[in-house]
Amino acid sequence: AQSVAQPEDQVNVAEGNPLTVKCTYSVSGNPYLFWYVQYPNRGLQFLLKYITGDNLVKGSYGFEAEFNKSQTSFHLKKPSALVSDSALYFCAVRDPGGYNKLIFGAGTRLAVHP
Amino acid sequence: GAVVSQHPSWVICKSGTSVKIECRSLDFQATTMFWYRQFPKQSLMLMATSNEGSKATYEQGVEKDKFLINHASLTLSTLTVTSAHPEDSSFYICSAQGPLKNTEAFFGQGTRLTVV
Repeated sequence: AQSVAQPEDQVNVAEGNPLTVKCTYSVSGNPYLFWYVQYPNRGLQFLLKYITGDNLVKGSYGFEAEFNKSQTSFHLKKPSALVSDSALYFCAVRDPGGYNKLIFGAGTRLAVHP
Repeated sequence: GAVVSQHPSWVICKSGTSVKIECRSLDFQATTMFWYRQFPKQSLMLMATSNEGSKATYEQGVEKDKFLINHASLTLSTLTVTSAHPEDSSFYICSAQGPLKNTEAFFGQGTRLTVV
C-alpha cells in the first residue's frame, strides 16, 4: 500500500539555523512527491514537487527538497530558518491509481524560535 | 499558482440544519476536486473525490447521504453537510486538480464548521 511517513511530530529550530523536515514514502512505480505548508485555520499552500529530473528541487520561500530514491526519502530543507516559517508541513505522494489523489503524511509542526 | 476559492471560511449552524460549502477553481479547469476533513492537530482525511459530471467516490466510512457532493462544472464543487450534528464540527478543505499526474493540487482556504 502507498504511504508517507513524517517521523517527527515537531521540529524546533533557532532562527537563522538550517532546518530539515523529514519524509519517507512507499509507493509502487515512480513517485510524484509534494510538500505543502499550512498556517493556522488556512488551507494548504504548495511549496514544491518532485516529478523527475534533478534530485534537488527548489521551491517557494527558499525551501528545497532532496529526492533520494535508495532511501525512499524526500526531506524538506531550508538553509536559514525564519520565525515566519513556523507552520505545519505536509509531505504527500500521488496515488498511482486513478483520480490523482494525494496520500499525506501526518504532518510536522515546525517551530522557529527567535 | 492557481487559485481555489472556498466559501464560507467559517459557519455556525444549529443541529439538524444543512450547510453548503462551495469550492471554486478560479483560473483553471479542475477535472477532479477532493474534499478533506481535518481534526485539530491532525492530518487531512480524504472524504471523497469528485469528477465533473459524475458521482463522487467516497472513502470508506464516509456517509454519502450525509455529505452530499456535487461537481456540476469544471470550476465548481459543493459539499453539503446534511442534518448536521455537533460531531460534524470540523475544518473542511477542498482541493482542485487538473488531469495530469505531474501537476500539483491547489487547496481552498478551508471552512471551519461549528454545529451548536
